[in-house]
Amino acid sequence: ILNVEQSPQSLHVQEGDSTNFTCSFPSSNFYALHWYRWETAKSPEALFVMTLNGDEKKKGRISATLNTKEGYSYLYIKGSQPEDSATYLCASNTGNQFYFGTGTSLTVIP
Amino acid sequence: DGGITQSPKYLFRKEGQNVTLSCEQNLNHDAMYWYRQDPGQGLRLIYYSQIVNDFQKGDIAEGYSVSREKKESFPLTVTSAQKNPTAFYLCASSVRGGLSPYNEQFFGPGTRLTVL
Repeated sequence: ILNVEQSPQSLHVQEGDSTNFTCSFPSSNFYALHWYRWETAKSPEALFVMTLNGDEKKKGRISATLNTKEGYSYLYIKGSQPEDSATYLCASNTGNQFYFGTGTSLTVIP
Repeated sequence: DGGITQSPKYLFRKEGQNVTLSCEQNLNHDAMYWYRQDPGQGLRLIYYSQIVNDFQKGDIAEGYSVSREKKESFPLTVTSAQKNPTAFYLCASSVRGGLSPYNEQFFGPGTRLTVL
């Protein structure tokens, strides 16, 4: 079983603040890193998939980076909005299985 | 609308009873997965199926069984042998299983099972 860790566990920010959180994963057996957004009472929704060291992906105000050599990925949210409130999950894809972190719960206060 | 449905949303069962959780997808995906979520833990894989009539155990398969008789359906049975069945169960599917980094998983809304 792969150990994927996310920090912080939870985060409260004011509307308009920028924020970031971390996903750490074993750099061996790495194939891809996935980020999901999981809003309350909804299904997890895919945000990004990254495979190459140094990859950077962006979707609107949300972006992510990947360092496969040291085994971490950062997710950034610029100018947080209340609708960004959700749990953000990362998963390391070994090619056969996804190993998920426990998630970072983000609350954006209006 | 294409998607994954899980029913029911909440399920209550008495200890010692088997219970089957439904998962249906109309995305024409080959692969389907069952995960379990417990407080303070990440999603953990119970079983997965890459193709009809084939499935493999995940990390926590003990006390569970599955079948994959149809491409669109992957029901999970929680048996009385599962020691701590109370949890949130998520079903997912992907276009195909196996070696593809772009093998995005699409998730259903989940079923919360409580065993009394």
